[in-house]
Amino acid sequence: KAGVTQTPRYLIKTRGQQVTLSCSPISGHRSVSWYQQTPGQGLQFLFEYFSETQRNKGNFPGRFSGRQFSNSRSEMNVSTLELGDSALYLCASSLPDRGDTEAFFGQGTRLTVV
Amino acid sequence: LAKTTQPISMDSYEGQEVNITCSHNNIATNDYITWYQQFPSQGPRFIIQGYKTKVTNEVASLFIPADRKSSTLSLPRVSLSDTAVYYCLVGEGGSQGNLIFGKGTKLSVKP
Repeated sequence: KAGVTQTPRYLIKTRGQQVTLSCSPISGHRSVSWYQQTPGQGLQFLFEYFSETQRNKGNFPGRFSGRQFSNSRSEMNVSTLELGDSALYLCASSLPDRGDTEAFFGQGTRLTVV
Repeated sequence: LAKTTQPISMDSYEGQEVNITCSHNNIATNDYITWYQQFPSQGPRFIIQGYKTKVTNEVASLFIPADRKSSTLSLPRVSLSDTAVYYCLVGEGGSQGNLIFGKGTKLSVKP
């Protein structure tokens, strides 16, 4: 089956702009989570969406937001970009209501803010 | 979610068995132990998951003692392509959507 698909793979934006990243989960997975990875902070949880509702949220400012559509596809948006937002943004999908399953990650979107 | 502690880095040579130990003293009754592997500029990839005793799959084994306060990921006969960062995570069932990653263990396999 197809894996988690993230688009675009690479993105260059200017400070102050906004950006939207997209994630298509594995078919049948209703939970989509977003993570930010930087060399300094490592992998950090941004938020999780389940059935179009935000279920968990990490410790990020309100400039970071997301949404999930009825087909489970998800988008995350970052407004008023800062240089520190340069990172690899990863999306993961999972079946959240079972204890013995795993999260499947996409290849990520590499965002560079200049 | 229980905090985990694992070595920052490890070195090995091709063909050797590598054991990476993770401490999770505050593991809860409902928590599972899961290991992920990550290559540079890629998303983490699930390796193995267990609750107690020993779990084995085609790529690794996971040893969990009776008190479950630690676990050991065992990679048999590593190759250069096993050079990666390995993360140990502990969380209750249903927490796959809210994974808390530590710093991980950077494994370097040398020829």
